[in-house]
Amino acid sequence: DQQVKQNSPSLSVQEGRISILNCDYTNSMFDYFLWYKKYPAEGPTFLISISSIKDKNEDGRFTVFLNKSAKHLSLHIVPSQPGDSAVYFCAANWVQGAQKLVFGQGTRLTINP
Amino acid sequence: DSGVTQTPKHLITATGQRVTLRCSPRSGDLSVYWYQQSLDQGLQFLIQYYNGEERAKGNILERFSAQQFPDLHSELNLSSLELGDSALYFCASSSRASLSGNTIYFGEGSWLTVV
Repeated sequence: DQQVKQNSPSLSVQEGRISILNCDYTNSMFDYFLWYKKYPAEGPTFLISISSIKDKNEDGRFTVFLNKSAKHLSLHIVPSQPGDSAVYFCAANWVQGAQKLVFGQGTRLTINP
Repeated sequence: DSGVTQTPKHLITATGQRVTLRCSPRSGDLSVYWYQQSLDQGLQFLIQYYNGEERAKGNILERFSAQQFPDLHSELNLSSLELGDSALYFCASSSRASLSGNTIYFGEGSWLTVV
């Protein structure tokens, strides 16, 4: 049962343009969402998070949007830079749950010069 | 550098064998998590320990076990290894037991190849 889904295994974007990575979830109990970025041969690194009481959180070039009614969140990167090329994982958790982050499958983002 | 240390970085072993993966959490972190990432899978949660006690369990096989020691380092034991156990095993740590509003930090992973 894949509770967190990233339906796009890969995404290619031109440098300077906006990258939009999408994530859908099925468990309405999730109340905290995170995005992680992973380079090859490295562990995932935390990027940005959002609580379910918000619908937007911004940190520099990164903005996460949450649409609770659609059970959908997205990560916007603007402008995209070559160093953003990596695999991006979304993850979700809920306070009353088993306290384990549930990750999506990941989306490989490639920024083309 | 996340501050989470995992050893070994790479390990090749034969089917039926047993291996131990080690993790040292960030200084001051009491929670340790283990995740498995196979080639065709996202990050799968295996198990969490908080201050020496098992806190949450995920998709961990019975052939696998883990523990957290008094100095807070953790070990993941994988036994009767099968080819399908080949994967990248990540350890992560956080300061609290609860993930709500909390961030977990990942190590670089231990790459296990079973031949």
